[in-house]
Amino acid sequence: GQQVMQIPQYQHVQEGEDFTTYCNSSTTLSNIQWYKQRPGGHPVFLIQLVKSGEVKKQKRLTFQFGEAKKNSSLHITATQTTDVGTYFCAGHTYEGTSYGKLTFGQGTILTVHP
Amino acid sequence: DAGVIQSPRHEVTEMGQEVTLRCKPISGHDYLFWYRQTMMRGLELLIYFNNNVPIDDSGMPEDRFSAKMPNASFSTLKIQPSEPRDSAVYFCASSLTAGNNEQFFGPGTRLTVL
Repeated sequence: GQQVMQIPQYQHVQEGEDFTTYCNSSTTLSNIQWYKQRPGGHPVFLIQLVKSGEVKKQKRLTFQFGEAKKNSSLHITATQTTDVGTYFCAGHTYEGTSYGKLTFGQGTILTVHP
Repeated sequence: DAGVIQSPRHEVTEMGQEVTLRCKPISGHDYLFWYRQTMMRGLELLIYFNNNVPIDDSGMPEDRFSAKMPNASFSTLKIQPSEPRDSAVYFCASSLTAGNNEQFFGPGTRLTVL
């Protein structure tokens, strides 16, 4: 079945440093979504990417979808303590019995030291 | 809208007892998902429904787990009998359509089986 791998598992940064997490799928995706989960909270949707090579920005966050639609990345510029949490990618494919189902990566836990 | 509602928020039970988790999705959402989150296994999809019909239950660990959606505004996840390895946070999520729409997660139920 479809697998989504995410690296790194953990990332510790000093406030002000940049942060990147990478996501790779075993199959071509129809779209990919990113979620953030604060400690003790629930996953919250950040963004969806659909097109090959798509790049989207939300303030200090930059999201990319690979040309082959099998990989994606999230980059945070100049991290702040409010960025602390776990970042998940989640892939979707329209094919077969997986229709409607998001496959989540393992997540990257980001710690920001002030 | 109140968002996805889950109850109880915390549940502590003894091994062998029956546990029932409840979820009310966002009104108008056609899809409902049940996830389990642990440190070891991350965020796992257990089962999801479309218009109250179970579509994919391949993530349900074993026969001790069952889920129902008797109407569009209510779903239950039942574990009988419960075991210590079932201890986890269980999330319910809903979305408007399949795959290409964001999923809205509830606050989760933290289950501890002693």
